[in-house]
Amino acid sequence: SQQGEEDPQALSIQEGENATMNCSYKTSINNLQWYRQNSGRGLVHLILIRSNEREKHSGRLRVTLDTSKKSSSLLITASRAADTASYFCATEPGTASKLTFGTGTRLQVTL
Amino acid sequence: GAVVSQHPSRVICKSGTSVKIECRSLDFQATTMFWYRQFPKQSLMLMATSNEGSKATYEQGVEKDKFLINHASLTLSTLTVTSAHPEDSSFYICSAMGGGRRGEKLFFGSGTQLSVL
Repeated sequence: SQQGEEDPQALSIQEGENATMNCSYKTSINNLQWYRQNSGRGLVHLILIRSNEREKHSGRLRVTLDTSKKSSSLLITASRAADTASYFCATEPGTASKLTFGTGTRLQVTL
Repeated sequence: GAVVSQHPSRVICKSGTSVKIECRSLDFQATTMFWYRQFPKQSLMLMATSNEGSKATYEQGVEKDKFLINHASLTLSTLTVTSAHPEDSSFYICSAMGGGRRGEKLFFGSGTQLSVL
């Protein structure tokens, strides 16, 4: 079964605005990762945050992790039309190496 | 960065035929690859873990005789959908671990859209 639930399922914003998507999971994890998928393509790794980290930045991306609430958020600042894609969180459970993907957020950035 | 090549990107076949999908790691050795299935607007569902030189590990509910996986070398894993039926139509994606600690950072192929008529 899927580990992560993401919200919102879909998000539409204008270029320049910030986009925030959230991920909740159920069991303990070693790390949480965010991936991006353009329509009909494979996934691209964006950022990894370990269970002992609370916040991480990479360019316009900011990820937070709250292990007490079993949740993470991905913030994309100053969005661009090229950011239009689906975004998935993925968790690596504490006892296995397989990643389990969340339900995804479809982001639409309009001009 | 590491590159994973998946081929073909799209295949249309008749019901009852078999389809083979290849997943290659181009610039690194991948002892473990993963195969996923994705329905439109849904998440990736792990089908099986492909281990070089040994049998694949299938997830619950995935028919191993239906979805044959062969990981004969450190750079190639294949998924064969045998006797395909329309309900097998889906987007299939492979991934490989790029090294380092187990489970970190997967590199994905570009996916194969299978349409069974």
